[in-house]
Amino acid sequence: AQSVTQLGSHVSVSEGALVLLRCNYSSSVPPYLFWYVQYPNQGLQLLLKYTSAATLVKGINGFEAEFKKSETSFHLTKPSAHMSDAAEYFCAVSDNNNNDMRFGAGTRLTVKP
Amino acid sequence: DTGVSQDPRHKITKRGQNVTFRCDPISEHNRLYWYRQTLGQGPEFLTYFQNEAQLEKSRLLSDRFSAERPKGSFSTLEIQRTEQGDSAMYLCASSPPRGTGELFFGEGSRLTVL
Repeated sequence: AQSVTQLGSHVSVSEGALVLLRCNYSSSVPPYLFWYVQYPNQGLQLLLKYTSAATLVKGINGFEAEFKKSETSFHLTKPSAHMSDAAEYFCAVSDNNNNDMRFGAGTRLTVKP
Repeated sequence: DTGVSQDPRHKITKRGQNVTFRCDPISEHNRLYWYRQTLGQGPEFLTYFQNEAQLEKSRLLSDRFSAERPKGSFSTLEIQRTEQGDSAMYLCASSPPRGTGELFFGEGSRLTVL
């Protein structure tokens, strides 16, 4: 069975600072990995995805993530936080048949002015 | 182009009542998924359909829950004899055939059981 673990339920950064949200996965098959963002009272929106191509994946809004098989990690980063980045972020894993997608518990990002 | 549509967006009901949620996926998406999300948690997989066939059900889906997708288009999720523990956001998502794994989510249906 596949699963993801997000380290840190809440991350707070200052505007302009580096954002680092951690995700580790467990999968018995080559995984597909995703980061989704959820703003209050809205559905989940895809930020980026890894599907066995380039290990460094660039997404929307300046976010990127690097797939590290040796560390079973897929951490999300952004060089400079913006106030509009404040939201809940979810890491997710699925197999290459997308039979079901499993989500982490989420990390709430707060951006301080 | 419309995204995944869910109805109703909010439902308040009394314990013991039945509720039904509807999901209209993106046109031509053959897969449809239901998830449940409680406060402070990530979405939990409930079930998914490929066309009209229900291919997987989570153990979270007790016998009070039933999902259908009779014509391979819209889907309904029914909860019978609701309990306070059923209070959650119910999310629907869809994905296209031969996609790259991304799920497209609706805005969810929030259920409050009093």
